[in-house]
Amino acid sequence: GAVVSQHPSRVICKSGTSVKIECRSLDFQATTMFWYRQFPKQSLMLMATSNEGSKATYEQGVEKDKFLINHASLTLSTLTVASAHPEDSSFYICSVGGGRYGYTFGSGTRLTVV
Amino acid sequence: DQQVKQNSPSLSVQEGRISILNCDYTNSMFDYFLWYKKYPAEGPTFLISISSIKDKNEDGRFTVFLNKSAKHLSLHIVPSQPGDSAVYFCAAVTGNQFYFGTGTSLTVIP
Repeated sequence: GAVVSQHPSRVICKSGTSVKIECRSLDFQATTMFWYRQFPKQSLMLMATSNEGSKATYEQGVEKDKFLINHASLTLSTLTVASAHPEDSSFYICSVGGGRYGYTFGSGTRLTVV
Repeated sequence: DQQVKQNSPSLSVQEGRISILNCDYTNSMFDYFLWYKKYPAEGPTFLISISSIKDKNEDGRFTVFLNKSAKHLSLHIVPSQPGDSAVYFCAAVTGNQFYFGTGTSLTVIP
């Protein structure tokens, strides 16, 4: 399977600031990457599908202007939480792959907005 | 370095029989483990978890077993139903870090 690196693993920021999370596919050219949000011991909520060179596809209820996704290359997708607020505090996880090669997940980013 | 491995990419089971999904890990410091179920075009749905201090946790048709000495985790589904057909992921957590397996696709044959 692919190797996925997600950075940073943890970030604490002040309310109103923006935070960028990177997801890198180290050995796999990913035309598609997925971004999830997770609350403790709950399901991963698919937020959006990141498409290389085109706009991301957002799931219903996910604010496009709040969660900005850029997939500029086959190895990098970024999620920017714009003007973060305490309710945005969560665990964010990216993944690549699917199909016969299986899925590979990043190790996650814990965002805390104070 | 894959710290959590699901070595079987796929599994087929007859309806009514037991499904056993396996997961191996390398880090003895994981705090707890989770199993997720994923349907196409959806995010993984949390199924069941187990703390590293336990060896078994049961919830309805789902039972998770943890063998710490073997660093092995398994999910038993009994009886299996066609609606259980999905991709199953195991995950291990330590601190702020999640480590997922690559998934096992389960097909339950009616």
